[in-house]
Amino acid sequence: GEDVEQSLFLSVREGDSSVINCTYTDSSSTYLYWYKQEPGAGLQLLTYIFSNMDMKQDQRLTVLLNKKDKHLSLRIADTQTGDSAIYFCAAGAGSYQLTFGKGTKLSVIP
Amino acid sequence: DAEITQSPRHKITETGRQVTLACHQTWNHNNMFWYRQDLGHGLRLIHYSYGVQDTNKGEVSDGYSVSRSNTEDLPLTLESAASSQTSVYFCASSDPGLAGNTDTQYFGPGTRLTVL
Repeated sequence: GEDVEQSLFLSVREGDSSVINCTYTDSSSTYLYWYKQEPGAGLQLLTYIFSNMDMKQDQRLTVLLNKKDKHLSLRIADTQTGDSAIYFCAAGAGSYQLTFGKGTKLSVIP
Repeated sequence: DAEITQSPRHKITETGRQVTLACHQTWNHNNMFWYRQDLGHGLRLIHYSYGVQDTNKGEVSDGYSVSRSNTEDLPLTLESAASSQTSVYFCASSDPGLAGNTDTQYFGPGTRLTVL
C-alpha cells in the first residue's frame, strides 16, 4: 500500500521561509494534500495539488510536486509564530481514502 | 455554517467499559471516517463508511465498531475499553461528488480518550 514519509521536526526563525518535505510511494496518487494541526485542534486543510500540476501558490504557501521522484514540498514564506503547528502530508488515489504521513512539527523561533 | 462536531471532547473511562464517541456532520457528506492519532504513528484509519448502512474496517479496527443509520452520524464504539485505546480520536467526512476532487477530507476537533 501507499507509504508517506516526512521529517518529524523543523525549526525556523520568524520571517524566514520554511520548507517541509514529503515523499510518497504510490505513483497512482492523484491528489496530494497538506493539512495543519494546531495544539488541541483537528486537522485543517491548507491546500492540495492535483498530480498533473507542478506547482500551486496560495498567498504565503507554495506547493511543489515532483511526480517523477514522488516528492512534495510545502514552502511557507515569511514564517510567523502563528505558523507553529504540525503539518501533515497526505496522498489520495481517487479511492476516497487518504494515507497520511506522521507529521512535521514546525517550531518558529521569535 | 456546515460543520463536523465530536462529543465528548474529553473522556476518562475504566478498562472493560463500553464507550461511544459521537461524530455528527451537517455537510450531507456520504463518506465518513474515524482515525486515531498517537505519538510516533500519525493518523491511523479505524473504520469508514461510504453511505447509510455501509461500514468498512480500516487499518486498526480490532476492538472498535461503527454503525451508520443516517447520513449525518457515525458513532464509534469501543466494546470493552483497553489502556491501549488511550488516544486522540478524529472523525472526518468527504463528498465524492465535489467536482474535480474525490478525496478531500474535513476533520472534527477530536476526542481525547483516556482508559485507566
